[in-house]
Amino acid sequence: KAGVTQTPRYLIKTRGQQVTLSCSPISGHRSVSWYQQTPGQGLQFLFEYFSETQRNKGNFPGRFSGRQFSNSRSEMNVSTLELGDSALYLCASSLGGINTEAFFGQGTRLTVV
Amino acid sequence: GQQLNQNPQSMFIQEGEDVSMNCTSSSIFNTWLWYKQDPGEGPVLLIALYKAGELTSNGRLTAQFGITRKDSFLNISASIPSDVGIYFCAGRAYNQGGKLIFGQGTELSVKP
Repeated sequence: KAGVTQTPRYLIKTRGQQVTLSCSPISGHRSVSWYQQTPGQGLQFLFEYFSETQRNKGNFPGRFSGRQFSNSRSEMNVSTLELGDSALYLCASSLGGINTEAFFGQGTRLTVV
Repeated sequence: GQQLNQNPQSMFIQEGEDVSMNCTSSSIFNTWLWYKQDPGEGPVLLIALYKAGELTSNGRLTAQFGITRKDSFLNISASIPSDVGIYFCAGRAYNQGGKLIFGQGTELSVKP
């Protein structure tokens, strides 16, 4: 059974650009959550999608957005990139219930220059 | 955003020693998960806990869901060099919409 796949693994962008990251969850999992990880802030929750609907949202500006497709694959987009957006972006896949496990992908390392 | 209070933040131990870390919250949680993360990689799930008082083992790792539902503990017995990494606790609660909330992590260093 394939794990959670995130693409790309590494990305370098310039301030002001936008970026789209992709996450393919484990087959059968309908929930995809996104996290930003930085050394100073730890793992911060961005949003969760379940069956193509945003179910939870963290405290990030509107420049951060996401969506989920009918096959449960998810994308997140960051517009007007800032230097502070440099981070490891992780997605987690789960069945979606409160008493369920969550499995992470390897992450996308975004560097904004 | 809300984070769980995880302690200690770092540990330096000798190979063969046992390790204990914990995670606490001011509110109750319905699920506790423990992860290990290596540099540049995503967190890997170690143990999942679903019931208050539950004690679950995975090899040399043992975790417990606190009876108050506000804390969880992870123990590693007879540590080895490959235990090095950052350990995170994470919890889900109905009153948080079920999203997974993380502790700040415990960085473990093991001296051979």
